Amino acid sequence: EDQVTQSPEALRLQEGESSSLNCSYTVSGLRGLFWYRQDPGKGPEFLFTLYSAGEEKEKERLKATLTKKESFLHITAPKPEDSATYLCAVQAEIGGNNRLAFGKGNQVVVIP
Amino acid sequence: GEEVAQTPKHLVRGEGQKAKLYCAPIKGHSYVFWYQQVLKNEFKFLISFQNENVFDETGMPKERFSAKCLPNSPCSLEIQATKLEDSAVYFCASSQSRTGGESGYTFGSGTRLTVV
Repeated sequence: EDQVTQSPEALRLQEGESSSLNCSYTVSGLRGLFWYRQDPGKGPEFLFTLYSAGEEKEKERLKATLTKKESFLHITAPKPEDSATYLCAVQAEIGGNNRLAFGKGNQVVVIP
Repeated sequence: GEEVAQTPKHLVRGEGQKAKLYCAPIKGHSYVFWYQQVLKNEFKFLISFQNENVFDETGMPKERFSAKCLPNSPCSLEIQATKLEDSAVYFCASSQSRTGGESGYTFGSGTRLTVV
């Protein structure tokens, strides 16, 4: 069974204080690893898809990286509007029928 | 439109009543997925469609849950006799490609079902 573990569960940051979120995964062949942002009362908003170890993608203050066992979401100089829950999900190459297996999320609060 | 439209936003049902949720995927997206989010961020896959055909229904509690995606109609998820444990937010997601690709899957804002 595909497993995704995210840490830390919750994180409080001062504005401008850079940090990293971790997503460890176990999957029967990785087709893709997805990062989403979810604000309260809303659906997940797509950020990145990573496919292979060594891959990196950036968007504004966010940078996602991937190894064979984990992914990191680096938040550089965060602003209060970066406060959200960040969700990691994996898609298996074999037997998963493209469904996503989600972690429980990293809840990030950025304090002005 | 460019968003996945889910209705209603909130639904309250007495235990044993029927609940029906709707999802209009983005125009041109052939793949639709339903997920259930319970407690704190625990997403559970329910079912997926390729156009009107069920692609994967391994997550569905089949005795009470059913889903359809018919041509020219919103997709629907129906729970025949709701239980307290069905209380959750139900999300629909759509995509042009089966794997999500570089654009990922686009999620709707969800329907919050409360069973009392």
